[in-house]
Amino acid sequence: GAVVSQHPSRVICKSGTSVKIECRSLDFQATTMFWYRQFPKKSLMLMATSNEGSKATYEQGVEKDKFLINHASLTLSTLTVTSAHPEDSSFYICSAPPESGRTEQYFGPGTRLTVT
Amino acid sequence: LAKTTQPISMDSYEGQEVNITCSHNNIATNDYITWYQQFPSQGPRFIIQGYKTKVTNEVASLFIPADRKSSTLSLPRVSLSDTAVYYCLVGASGGSYIPTFGRGTSLIVHP
Repeated sequence: GAVVSQHPSRVICKSGTSVKIECRSLDFQATTMFWYRQFPKKSLMLMATSNEGSKATYEQGVEKDKFLINHASLTLSTLTVTSAHPEDSSFYICSAPPESGRTEQYFGPGTRLTVT
Repeated sequence: LAKTTQPISMDSYEGQEVNITCSHNNIATNDYITWYQQFPSQGPRFIIQGYKTKVTNEVASLFIPADRKSSTLSLPRVSLSDTAVYYCLVGASGGSYIPTFGRGTSLIVHP
């Protein structure tokens, strides 16, 4: 099956700093990737749709200047949490369909962000 | 966007068959039904997808009645390792699909 990786798997940063999370499709090309955040014992909340070669589409309530998304190639999307604060601590997950337009998603293993 | 409704939690015992039902009353003609499994601190894993009738793979079966307003994920002979949250999503293929998760069903398998 299609494989999606994320890096790092966990990161701890100080309040006010920025953190970059990478999402890679290892054995397929992804024109679209999705970014989610998940709080403990809660469901996945979609943050944005990452589009290769164009601007990301953010969900309502998600600050685009705080959560910068770049999809510069067909296998890599990055999420940068800028000026992180403790309330940004969460589990961040990306996904991509194995082929453009298909509904099933393949997910990365997630990145645990802790802001101190 | 078709909304889905699932039981919040279910309990079972090792070796039993577990059936998790998802309601999607306003499913559209072109929508597919997809189920995912998620363990704590991991990304979800694709389990199975179907459009109508029955689909079976090495992990599970998916039963979809003729009206497609609900679907049932069937896990045969569960083990402790099947303890996880299961999500049902509905949507159509094509460029505009946005995968949106509901609350999911927390399945606990007891010894």
